[in-house]
Amino acid sequence: GESVGLHLPTLSVQEGDNSIINCAYSNSASDYFIWYKQESGKGPQFIIDIRSNMDKRQGQRVTVLLNKTVKHLSLQIAATQPGDSAVYFCAETSLRDDKIIFGKGTRLHILP
Amino acid sequence: DAGVIQSPRHEVTEMGQEVTLRCKPISGHDYLFWYRQTMMRGLELLIYFNNNVPIDDSGMPEDRFSAKMPNASFSTLKIQPSEPRDSAVYFCASSERARGYTFGSGTRLTVV
Repeated sequence: GESVGLHLPTLSVQEGDNSIINCAYSNSASDYFIWYKQESGKGPQFIIDIRSNMDKRQGQRVTVLLNKTVKHLSLQIAATQPGDSAVYFCAETSLRDDKIIFGKGTRLHILP
Repeated sequence: DAGVIQSPRHEVTEMGQEVTLRCKPISGHDYLFWYRQTMMRGLELLIYFNNNVPIDDSGMPEDRFSAKMPNASFSTLKIQPSEPRDSAVYFCASSERARGYTFGSGTRLTVV
C-alpha cells in the first residue's frame, strides 16, 4: 500500500533463510529501542524491544541486537516466511521521555 | 480488546474543506499519539496527550491542524482548511506509560 515509501531500502531474502535488518539510531541518550512491523494497509505493529542495559534479546523467531558503541540496532528473523514481508521500523526513545522517534524503515521482500 | 479504532478508514475531500479524523484508544491507556505517514517524511509525530492533556504539539505542521482529547476514550485531529499537501495516512496510537505503542489501522486522507 501507499502508506510506505517507494524509496525505502529493500532487503530481498529467500524464503527459509534468515533476515538481518539494520538500523542506525541517532540519539546517544536513547536507552529504549523498539522494532515495529508494518504490513501493507495496516498500522505499525510492535515486534520486540530492548533496553540499553542489554545487548541481545530474543523472541519467537526474532532477535534484536544492540551495539551502543556504534549506535547500531539489528533485527534478525529466523527462517523467513512469506508473512514476514513488510516494512520494518526501528524506533528509539529514552525511558525518561514519552516520545518514540521512528527511523525511515526497511522493506523486507521474500523471494519464493 | 478491539484495539485502537480510527475512523474513517479513507477520506477524500476537496481543498479548503474541513477534515476531522477520529480515534478511540485502548481502554486504560493513558497516552495517545497522532502520527502522519508520507512517502517523503516517513512517520512523523504530530502531537501526543497524557491523561487527556496535550503534552507536546511541536510536530503539528501549522495552525490549520488542531487536536483535542475531550475524554479518555476519544480524540480528534482536525485540519481546517485542508490542502493537497496534507494528503497522507494518519495514525493514532495509544499506550500505557508511553511504552509499546498500539497503532490503529490509520486514516488515508486524500485532498484534491
